[in-house]
Amino acid sequence: GENVEQHPSTLSVQEGDSAVIKCTYSDSASNYFPWYKQELGKRPQLIIDIRSNVGEKKDQRIAVTLNKTAKHFSLHITETQPEDSAVYFCAASPYDNYGQNFVFGPGTRLSVLP
Amino acid sequence: DVKVTQSSRYLVKRTGEKVFLECVQDMDHENMFWYRQDPGLGLRLIYFSYDVKMKEKGDIPEGYSVSREKKERFSLILESASTNQTSMYLCASSLGQGAYEQYFGPGTRLTVT
Repeated sequence: GENVEQHPSTLSVQEGDSAVIKCTYSDSASNYFPWYKQELGKRPQLIIDIRSNVGEKKDQRIAVTLNKTAKHFSLHITETQPEDSAVYFCAASPYDNYGQNFVFGPGTRLSVLP
Repeated sequence: DVKVTQSSRYLVKRTGEKVFLECVQDMDHENMFWYRQDPGLGLRLIYFSYDVKMKEKGDIPEGYSVSREKKERFSLILESASTNQTSMYLCASSLGQGAYEQYFGPGTRLTVT
């Protein structure tokens, strides 16, 4: 089955700097890759996603890149702010009869230092 | 806004008890999911359902069962709770029909003593 690895497990950056989180997946049939942000004590929420027919997607300060050949995808946050501090989860959605299940990475705890 | 609610935020049960965790979504979503979240392990899929009365095993179904009698409600059942089932349990739902985004509930922190 699908296996998703995520690095680093913790990341500290100064406010205003960029942050990059990387994920790799194993199943070449995976075709959807979401990123979720979970603030302390709150539920995970989708912040950006990318489908396998696209190499890059951007939404204001957040971008995701996908390399299907290498089976890895990355989250880029520019001009980080204290409110970006959270745990970030990547996921891959392997194709099955339904095409809807996610396999999540273990998460990255991002701390933005003022 | 999609609203996914869970019956309890915190629950304490004894070993061997039968435990019911309930999840309700109000947006007529086709798909519903149960995950457990443990530090360093991310979110792991326990069971999912793509239709009423339909259920499929996820990655870690042992010790759990589910029920989906109505479209909006998905229940997770621990037949005989054990201490290794102490965890945060998250329910999620998605619209289906090509819309993959999953919306999560607030979670239930279950402690089994």
